[in-house]
Amino acid sequence: GDSVTQMEGPVTLSEEAFLTINCTYTATGYPSLFWYVQYPGEGLQLLLKATKADDKGSNKGFEATYRKETTSFHLEKGSVQVSDSAVYFCALTASSGGSYIPTFGRGTSLIVHP
Amino acid sequence: GAVVSQHPSWVICKSGTSVKIECRSLDFQATTMFWYRQFPKQSLMLMATSNEGSKATYEQGVEKDKFLINHASLTLSTLTVTSAHPEDSSFYICSALGTRDQETQYFGPGTRLLVL
Repeated sequence: GDSVTQMEGPVTLSEEAFLTINCTYTATGYPSLFWYVQYPGEGLQLLLKATKADDKGSNKGFEATYRKETTSFHLEKGSVQVSDSAVYFCALTASSGGSYIPTFGRGTSLIVHP
Repeated sequence: GAVVSQHPSWVICKSGTSVKIECRSLDFQATTMFWYRQFPKQSLMLMATSNEGSKATYEQGVEKDKFLINHASLTLSTLTVTSAHPEDSSFYICSALGTRDQETQYFGPGTRLLVL
């Protein structure tokens, strides 16, 4: 079946550092790829998405590019802030018989220090 | 973005009682809703998938008689934890796929359940 693998955390950075959270996937067909963010005590919010190869999703300074050749969707941000501290989930949605089936990674905790 | 609400956000109950959690899509019709349980080390566990008007599909290892799911309308799904026990204490999150965007899940804010 489909799967999503993301780097284990926590990732600890100083403010203004460069962020990369790796995500790779296995899927049949052509999934759409997502990054979700979860702030403490809250549900998940959609951060960005990409629906086909070479698409770049971006939002709030975060970016991720759909790389079909490496089956990856790494999340990057050039300069993190303390307010970016949260848990980040990589996910894919694949179509199966007319339904869309989601698969999530285990989440990566990001801690940004002032 | 699309809005999904959950109610209640917090619930404390005695062991043996039943608890109902509601998940509503507020500005779109949800053809499919998902129920997740989140454990303390952050991983999301998909419990079940429900389509409006049909029985929920439960993931392996999830007791369907204990976690009753009803998706009676295109904007409402409910999860009832029957005869709750302390090990059922967790953070329960719903999400919805719908007419707005058939591939993107929109999540509720979650419900924290504590069973004493």
